[in-house]
Amino acid sequence: AAGVIQSPRHLIKEKRETATLKCYPIPRHDTVYWYQQGPGQDPQFLISFYEKMQSDKGSIPDRFSAQQFSDYHSELNMSSLELGDSALYFCASSLGQTNLATNEKLFFGSGTQLSVL
Amino acid sequence: KQEVTQIPAALSVPEGENLVLNCSFTDSAIYNLQWFRQDPGKGLTSLLLIQSSQREQTSGRLNASLDKSSGRSTLYIAASQPGDSATYLCAVRLWEGGSEKLVFGKGTKLTVNP
Repeated sequence: AAGVIQSPRHLIKEKRETATLKCYPIPRHDTVYWYQQGPGQDPQFLISFYEKMQSDKGSIPDRFSAQQFSDYHSELNMSSLELGDSALYFCASSLGQTNLATNEKLFFGSGTQLSVL
Repeated sequence: KQEVTQIPAALSVPEGENLVLNCSFTDSAIYNLQWFRQDPGKGLTSLLLIQSSQREQTSGRLNASLDKSSGRSTLYIAASQPGDSATYLCAVRLWEGGSEKLVFGKGTKLTVNP
């Protein structure tokens, strides 16, 4: 079965450079979440999209932006990279988000390991 | 604000042993709870999802229970194997601050020794 696909798998950047991470959700999934996981830390929520609209925003720095496209894939754009941005960035997808109970599992991608030197 | 705690932070057991991982949460108004497995440097693999109306879910050697009123969930692993070695995270889904959120615990690192 198709899973959540993230690219690239690994990315090495210098300080102050920019990076773009891509996420392709499971087919028919319309909701995408981005998480950041630092070394030895639990995943921290960054931002989410439902039907191409931003649905929630977490601890995402102003230097980062994201969007969801018409084919439901999402991109996380990171500018003016800092050493502290080095982390594993996960994308997750699920089907449907309402303001009531959400019963769908979240499926996570394998993540993009970003190293800022 | 919802907080999720996992105890113990690390656990080492001999192969074949049955074990229990614990997850507790401070706000019982959750929609569901999901257990994940994470291998080093890898993604999160969903293991079990328990709806707030359910008490347990089973998949193979895994059994997860949920006691929403007391804010607790357990993941029971039967007949552990070295391949079960990984970090196990629980996460609760809830409605908070006008939007849906998924709050993770910090995980339990499990080592199963051959």
